[in-house]
Amino acid sequence: GDSVTQMEGPVTLSEEAFLTINCTYTATGYPSLFWYVQYPGEGLQLLLKATKADDKGSNKGFEATYRKETTSFHLEKGSVQVSDSAVYFCALFSSFFNKFYFGSGTKLNVKP
Amino acid sequence: GAGVSQSPSNKVTEKGKDVELRCDPISGHTALYWYRQSLGQGLEFLIYFQGNSAPDKSGLPSDRFSAERTGGSVSTLTIQRTQQEDSAVYLCASSLAIGYGYTFGSGTRLTVV
Repeated sequence: GDSVTQMEGPVTLSEEAFLTINCTYTATGYPSLFWYVQYPGEGLQLLLKATKADDKGSNKGFEATYRKETTSFHLEKGSVQVSDSAVYFCALFSSFFNKFYFGSGTKLNVKP
Repeated sequence: GAGVSQSPSNKVTEKGKDVELRCDPISGHTALYWYRQSLGQGLEFLIYFQGNSAPDKSGLPSDRFSAERTGGSVSTLTIQRTQQEDSAVYLCASSLAIGYGYTFGSGTRLTVV
């Protein structure tokens, strides 16, 4: 089956620092790629997505570009805030297998 | 409803008891997925429904786990003779159709003592 690998956390940054969370994938066919965010005590929320190669997903200052050549979908933000502290999950949806595959999650702690 | 609703939000049960977890998808969503999130782990696929049928049950961990969906709407995940390793957050997601945007519920936190 398909799989997603993302960098282990926790990642601790100071406010206004630059964020990168790496994500790579293995997939059959042409998956859609997602980043989900889980704030403390809450469910998963879609942060952004990209459905084909070279697409860039963006939301709330976060960006990720679907790179087919490197099978990557790294999450970036130029200036993080304390309110961005959460667990971030990279995921792909396989139209071949009709299911999501999730990475193990990366916990981000942003300190004031 | 406006979102995917799961109940109960928290459940503590004794080892060996049966539990039922409920998922109320967004109205009109035909695809429904169950995932499990264990402490410190990623999300593990359990089962998905297209309408009332379950084309893929491959993620169910054992025959103690079963799920059904009736009327193309509400789904129930049942765990029989619960074990401590069943402790996790069980998440449900629904979608208008396979491949469309997915909305997750807030999950049911199951603790087996």
